[in-house]
Amino acid sequence: EVQLVETGGGLIQPGGSLRLSCAASGFTVSSNYMSWVRQAPGKGLEWVSVLYSGGTTYYADSVKGRFTISRDNSENTLYLQMNSLRAEDTAVYYCARGRAGANYFDYWGQGTLVTVSS
Amino acid sequence: EIVMTQSPATLSVSPGERATLSCRASQSVSSNLAWYQQKPGQAPRLLIYGASTRATGFPARFSGSGSGTEFTLTISSLQSEDFAVYYCQQYNNWPLTFGGGTKVEIK
Repeated sequence: EVQLVETGGGLIQPGGSLRLSCAASGFTVSSNYMSWVRQAPGKGLEWVSVLYSGGTTYYADSVKGRFTISRDNSENTLYLQMNSLRAEDTAVYYCARGRAGANYFDYWGQGTLVTVSS
Repeated sequence: EIVMTQSPATLSVSPGERATLSCRASQSVSSNLAWYQQKPGQAPRLLIYGASTRATGFPARFSGSGSGTEFTLTISSLQSEDFAVYYCQQYNNWPLTFGGGTKVEIK
């Protein structure tokens, strides 16, 4: 059974850093396209970043230069390092698997809430 | 960036009735369009991909159509479990973009 479990969210002050983790089971992270998608409270979905199986990465302009996506193949885990956090980064962050090498998402984690506030 | 516009923002429908949701892209996305269903407190769930292919676990009352810039999600006879927010997403171009969502509520 495919499962994605995000951890690492919490309350952080503006300008701070946080690292989110997404532990996967039932499939191999390194063989799939893996993304982070966020949802601000009461708002819609916003794609944040993708890590391709070959290692290529893409970022939304809103996080480029501040966020870094990576993975640990031995742990079968996806990460999102978030630096220079802003109030507008407050959201539930979901990790999601891209289906069959495409950029739509067939499995999602339950999400982890990041709150940026002083 | 391709802007995805969903309409209406809220759709009030009685159980058993038909619901038609619209998604428009600011430029062609071919058939690279997905739909997701999201219920309160839950993660989104893939509903449709390739504009018209239903994902595993969803019944035949859900159907998607369209290509290019105009897409439609139809729920032929709404059941209680279908009341949710529905999002479209294009995956033809970077960055990947979602529509603002349509909330289907009980009339």
